[in-house]
This record gives sequence, structure tokens and C-alpha cells, in this order.
Amino acid sequence: QSVLTQPPSASGTPGQRVTISCSGSTSNIGNHYVYWYRQLPEMAPKLLIFRNDQRSSGVPDRFSGSKSGTSASLAISGLRSDDEADYYCATWDDSLGGHVIFGGGTKLTVL
Amino acid sequence: QITLKESGPTLVNPTQTLTLTCTFSGFSLRTNGVGVAWIRQPPGKALEWLALIYRDDDVRYNPLLKNRITVTGDTSKNQAVLTMTNMDPVDTATYFCAHRPAVAPIRHSWFDPWGQGTLVVVSS
Repeated sequence: QSVLTQPPSASGTPGQRVTISCSGSTSNIGNHYVYWYRQLPEMAPKLLIFRNDQRSSGVPDRFSGSKSGTSASLAISGLRSDDEADYYCATWDDSLGGHVIFGGGTKLTVL
Repeated sequence: QITLKESGPTLVNPTQTLTLTCTFSGFSLRTNGVGVAWIRQPPGKALEWLALIYRDDDVRYNPLLKNRITVTGDTSKNQAVLTMTNMDPVDTATYFCAHRPAVAPIRHSWFDPWGQGTLVVVSS
């Protein structure tokens, strides 16, 4: 059970806008930047968003990140079939001396 | 261009020690703030951060695994080595290494790019 809570699944149809949430606490999201990674099937994860809302190089503006309090969200607009993947949030946690934590991941299905 | 590649055994016996090597190019651990992270992913499960080595000799560990993990860096070979003791079948996972950009402080850590990963199976 991850310290960062993500819905295990999300879905949408092509062209739709979907949002994936990531819920934490004051020891992590509440006081630190949030990062988002996408993992296509059988591939290594790839950075999508850094510092809450900054898109990584080459990431289209269909992807956007936001943070409010102890929660963060990744929004994908103009959903495409090749957006079907697992999405992970990550941040720093201050407990136990400080360390990186990942969310449990959300599997996005494009219907 | 930054690239990373993990190498090591694909099968490990329970109680044995696992040693994995991350060989990278396009950056140096001598550069202030640059680091290499180790992350693993059991089959069908989520990512789990294991450790981060940066500034060539400073290492942070997952507190739940710190008694079993050691990470060292070899700047002359552009490698980072992960050692994990007392392997158990629950440690079966794909192990990734990833580049940490030169940003400060350590709590502002993100990983880009990642190596392709290497699957390690723990079984007798």
C-alpha cells in the first residue's frame, strides 16, 4: 500500500479529457513537488511532468499537471489510443530521514 | 544524449546477494547534483524507489530496505552498482536505473531518462 494514493484504473474515449489523482499528506505532496511518469506496456517509465506542472521535453500540451494542498492531478486532454498506459505520481517524503516515494499507479484504458 | 543500461544476473537463489550494474553515458557523477537512482517493479505491481547516489559519494536509501542495500559509484567507468543482500522471492522484479538531473536540493529529485530495466527472478 503506497503512501501516495492513486485510483487503480481510469478510462476514457478518444478525444475526451481524463484526470488522474494522487493523494498524499503534509509530509510529502503538501510540502514538495510532484512528478508524473508514464509507462507504456513492457517499457521503462518516462518522465511526463516535473515540479508539479512543468512538461518534460517533447511532452505535448495535452498533458498538464497541477497540485493543491496534499493532492495532485494529471490531466490528459484529447485522449488518444496510444495514451493507454500506466501513470505514476512521485514526490519526496520527509519521514524516516527523507526519501522518494511513488504512487501505486493508475492504468489508463482508452475505450 | 543520456543513456543507461542495467546488467547483472537474471536468476538469483534465495538468501544470495544480488549485484546489478548500471552503465551510463552522457553525464558524470562528478557533476554536482547529478545522480543515478535505482527503482524496481515487481511483475504487475507499482514502482518502488530503492536508492539514489549523487555527488559521486552521497547515497540515500529507501528506509525500509536500507539494511540490505548498498549503492556505489565508479566515476572512471561511468557506473553505479547496486548490491542487495539476502534475496527473497518477493524481491523478484524488474530493476531500473535512472538519471537524476543536476538540480538542488535532493528533495527535488526526478528521474529522466531511465534504463530499459532488467528482470531479476529469485528462485531456487
